[in-house]
Amino acid sequence: GENVEQHPSTLSVQEGDSAVIKCTYSDSASNYFPWYKQELGKRPQLIIDIRSNVGEKKDQRIAVTLNKTAKHFSLHITETQPEDSAVYFCAASIYQAGTALIFGKGTTLSVSS
Amino acid sequence: GAGVSQSPSNKVTEKGKDVELRCDPISGHTALYWYRQSLGQGLEFLIYFQGNSAPDKSGLPSDRFSAERTGGSVSTLTIQRTQQEDSAVYLCASTRGGGIGYGYTFGSGTRLTVV
Repeated sequence: GENVEQHPSTLSVQEGDSAVIKCTYSDSASNYFPWYKQELGKRPQLIIDIRSNVGEKKDQRIAVTLNKTAKHFSLHITETQPEDSAVYFCAASIYQAGTALIFGKGTTLSVSS
Repeated sequence: GAGVSQSPSNKVTEKGKDVELRCDPISGHTALYWYRQSLGQGLEFLIYFQGNSAPDKSGLPSDRFSAERTGGSVSTLTIQRTQQEDSAVYLCASTRGGGIGYGYTFGSGTRLTVV
């Protein structure tokens, strides 16, 4: 089955800096890669996703890149703000099969002002 | 309903007792998922229901864990003979159909503490 590795486990940046979180996956059949943000005491929420027919997707200050050959994908947050502080999870699944998402262990991002 | 509803929000139980956790998905969502979130362990997949198909139970950690979904809507996760290592937040999510391109909508979870 699918296995997703996520790095780093913790990341501290200064406000305005960029943050990058990286994930690798094991199942070459996986073709859907979402990212979730979980603020303290709240439920995870989808922030961006990418499918394997594209290599990059942007939404304002966040972007996700995908390298299917290397089986890794990354989340990039630019101009970080204190409200970006949260735990971020990457995930992978096979979209058409409707299989369950397999999540990485999460990255705790701290943005200091 | 407007969102995914889980109950109870908190549950403290004695080791060895059975517990039932409930999830009420968004109306019309045919796919329902259970995950376990332990400190520092991310979101661990437990079980997945899609319509009337047989559930994907591949993530259940032991035979003490079981789940059912009645009428294609409400789901109950049952943990028998609870152990301290079962302490975690149990999250439920639902999606429209079997495809997940719209992303999961998570419930707020049940925090289970086994003492």
